[in-house]
Amino acid sequence: AQSVTQPDIHITVSEGASLELRCNYSYGATPYLFWYVQSPGQGLQLLLKYFSGDTLVQGIKGFEAEFKRSQSSFNLRKPSVHWSDAAEYFCAVPNTGNQFYFGTGTSLTVIP
Amino acid sequence: NAGVTQTPKFQVLKTGQSMTLQCAQDMNHEYMSWYRQDPGMGLRLIHYSVGAGITDQGEVPNGYNVSRSTTEDFPLRLLSAAPSQTSVYFCASSPNRGRPSYEQYFGPGTRLTVT
Repeated sequence: AQSVTQPDIHITVSEGASLELRCNYSYGATPYLFWYVQSPGQGLQLLLKYFSGDTLVQGIKGFEAEFKRSQSSFNLRKPSVHWSDAAEYFCAVPNTGNQFYFGTGTSLTVIP
Repeated sequence: NAGVTQTPKFQVLKTGQSMTLQCAQDMNHEYMSWYRQDPGMGLRLIHYSVGAGITDQGEVPNGYNVSRSTTEDFPLRLLSAAPSQTSVYFCASSPNRGRPSYEQYFGPGTRLTVT
């Protein structure tokens, strides 16, 4: 079965610093991959998605992610973090049909 | 469009009580699903539906029932609440049941506490 792993439970960065959140997937073929963000007390919002083609994907709020087949990774990046980026981030992959498998999440704290 | 709406936002139940969490979407999406979110475990799929009249079990279905009589509504029923069902519940919808390429739209969540 398809799955994703987020190795980092919690990350702290300073405002203005760069950010990289890790996501590793387990999938036989080229997967569809998603990153979602959950602000405190809110539902999840799609940041970006990868289907095929260009391995560098741009999303909302200045985020991007790069699909690397050789490393089975789909890491999320942002060049300069803002205080409003403090949230929980989830990597996800479709399982069978339209079922989604979510990673356990990475909580981001931004220090002023 | 209101998107995906969930009621109530908060609920406290006693062990053994039953209740229904409501979910509705106004985007005419075929696919709807329920997840529960617990600390350190991410989101786990409880039940899902690929269209009116069709439901199926997800990863953690025990203790929950669903039905899908209309495209818009997908209620989640707790038959006999247990403390292990204390969680945050999210409903989500997606426009196409047959393709995994479509994103899911999430409701704001229901925070349930069972004492």
